[in-house]
Amino acid sequence: AQTVTQSQPEMSVQEAETVTLSCTYDTSESNYYLFWYKQPPSRQMILVIRQEAYKQQNATENRFSVNFQKAAKSFSLKISDSQLGDTAMYFCAFMKRYGGSQGNLIFGKGTKLSVKP
Amino acid sequence: DGGITQSPKYLFRKEGQNVTLSCEQNLNHDAMYWYRQDPGQGLRLIYYSQIVNDFQKGDIAEGYSVSREKKESFPLTVTSAQKNPTAFYLCASSIQGTFDTQYFGPGTRLTVL
Repeated sequence: AQTVTQSQPEMSVQEAETVTLSCTYDTSESNYYLFWYKQPPSRQMILVIRQEAYKQQNATENRFSVNFQKAAKSFSLKISDSQLGDTAMYFCAFMKRYGGSQGNLIFGKGTKLSVKP
Repeated sequence: DGGITQSPKYLFRKEGQNVTLSCEQNLNHDAMYWYRQDPGQGLRLIYYSQIVNDFQKGDIAEGYSVSREKKESFPLTVTSAQKNPTAFYLCASSIQGTFDTQYFGPGTRLTVL
């Protein structure tokens, strides 16, 4: 079974600074996807970024980028130029591509990020 | 506007009553999902459906039931057999199940009194 671990329950960062959120996962699969979702106080889950495991290049979306280390099973999220609107819970998630339960997301427990003015 | 709607936003029920949560999408997505979120936890999969008239159990299906009679709709019934139903419920959809990104609705907070 796959597991996702987020070791930082809470983090804080000053506005305009950079912060990195950690995520590790355990799987025997070779084909899978990794995601970061954001859950603001409204509680709606919003996709931040997605990474395909077969791609060596790290995904980027504007101020958000990942450091994907497949051998180490590590998938960290870097937020540059942090903004007050980035304050939210951030969830790392895993999805295997083939086999039983394909398409099902496995979530970590989340990291609560606070951006301070 | 295309999107996923869940209603109601807040729902209160007495213990022992069945309750149905609504999820509708107009994104023309094939796959739909139900997740449960408890305080301090990530999301856990209850049921999912890849196509109309077909659905599979997720990790915590006991005490829940679903139907998928239309592509746009995937209602979740929380039955009296669910031992601890108070939680936040999120519905999601994706173009296809296997490798497509899931997009989420705004959620329903269910409180059983």
